[in-house]
Parts: sequence; structure tokens; C-alpha cells
Amino acid sequence: GAGVSQSPSNKVTEKGKDVELRCDPISGHTALYWYRQSLGQGLEFLIYFQGNSAPDKSGLPSDRFSAERTGGSVSTLTIQRTQQEDSAVYLCASSLQRESSEQFFGPGTRLTVL
Amino acid sequence: AQKVTQAQTEISVVEKEDVTLDCVYETRDTTYYLFWYKQPPSGELVFLIRRNSFDEQNEISGRYSWNFQKSTSSFNFTITASQVVDSAVYFCALSALNQGGKLIFGQGTELSVKP
Repeated sequence: GAGVSQSPSNKVTEKGKDVELRCDPISGHTALYWYRQSLGQGLEFLIYFQGNSAPDKSGLPSDRFSAERTGGSVSTLTIQRTQQEDSAVYLCASSLQRESSEQFFGPGTRLTVL
Repeated sequence: AQKVTQAQTEISVVEKEDVTLDCVYETRDTTYYLFWYKQPPSGELVFLIRRNSFDEQNEISGRYSWNFQKSTSSFNFTITASQVVDSAVYFCALSALNQGGKLIFGQGTELSVKP
């Protein structure tokens, strides 16, 4: 079956612009996660959604970052007023449950802020 | 707080050598899950194994094996008879109960297998 998909695969933007990154999880997966991978910080958790529960936003680095998940499926990560330190690969993952289940990762969106 | 340490940043071996990737974790939770993921040059993270904190049995899958020892808070990964296709960055990760499943990753170990 189809895996996790993300779009765009690459995004180049100018400092100060807003960007939207999209994630389509595996059908039927109730949990969805966003992570960020950068050279200096490694792989960092950003936010996760589980069913209709309130999302855990504890990993978001600033209030310029937000995410939503519509209809329990597709998710969008929005970064407002981008900064150069936002440059990274943004990874989305989904899983059937929460703690015990393996997460399946998408190919990521490489964001470059000039 | 949870933490995962992969002390080996880079490892280089010659094909057919055995190699062990170390992973040490910290958590106060009694119920937790440990994972290994592989990130080949293509970039996509690939799940390898999951272990829960109550199952200390070692596991073998083909050329891969994992040694989980709670006494030393370690979850090491061994590749036997390494191959060039094993070249990748390997991440160890921890997920604790009641933390929503978010993965705490180690810094990764870059394995290079030379022919």
C-alpha cells in the first residue's frame, strides 16, 4: 500500500516568507507526527496528533510554527516569517497507535531559507 | 527526562566485517519502547526493530541482531558480515509510555562499509 507522502519535496523561500508543508499519512493511521532534522540539532520532535485529542505541541520551537490535521488525515505544518535557522528537513510520520507502534516516515521536505 | 546517546558518530568497516552500533538510553519511566531506524543515502527513515521494556530477549533477523540490557540501559545493534548496502546512518530512539509516542532520537551513527 501507499506509504506516507509529503509535499513539496524541496522548498526554497526567502527570509520572512510563510511556508506550508503537507503530509499525507498512511490510511487508517490515527497518530501523526512531525519531526525536524538539521545538522546541528539532529532529529527533533515537533508536534503530534492522535485521533480527536488535542495535539501535543511541546516540541514546536517558537510560536511561528503551527500545524493542523484536517479530518483526521492530512496535516499541514505552517512556518510563519521564516528564518534561516528554520532550514532543515521536515519529516512526517504516522502510526497505528501511539507509544508501542512503529512510526512510518515520509521522504521529508527539505526547506531552505535564504 | 528521556535521553538517547549514540557515542559513535562514524564507523568505517570493510565488507564482511561484523560491526556493533552502541545505544545507551535514560528514562525514569518503567514502561518504554526502544527502536532502531536506518536512514540510507536516499534519506527516508526505515524502521528496523521495536523492543518494549519488559522484553529483554535478544533478537536476530538475518544478519541483524539486537542486544537489550536493562541493567546497563543499552540497546546495541550488531550487523554480521556487513555489506556495502548497509552503509547508512542508524538511529536509536526511545518512546516512553504517557509521552504520546514521540520518539527521542540519538544523534545517529554513520556507518560506512567499504568493498
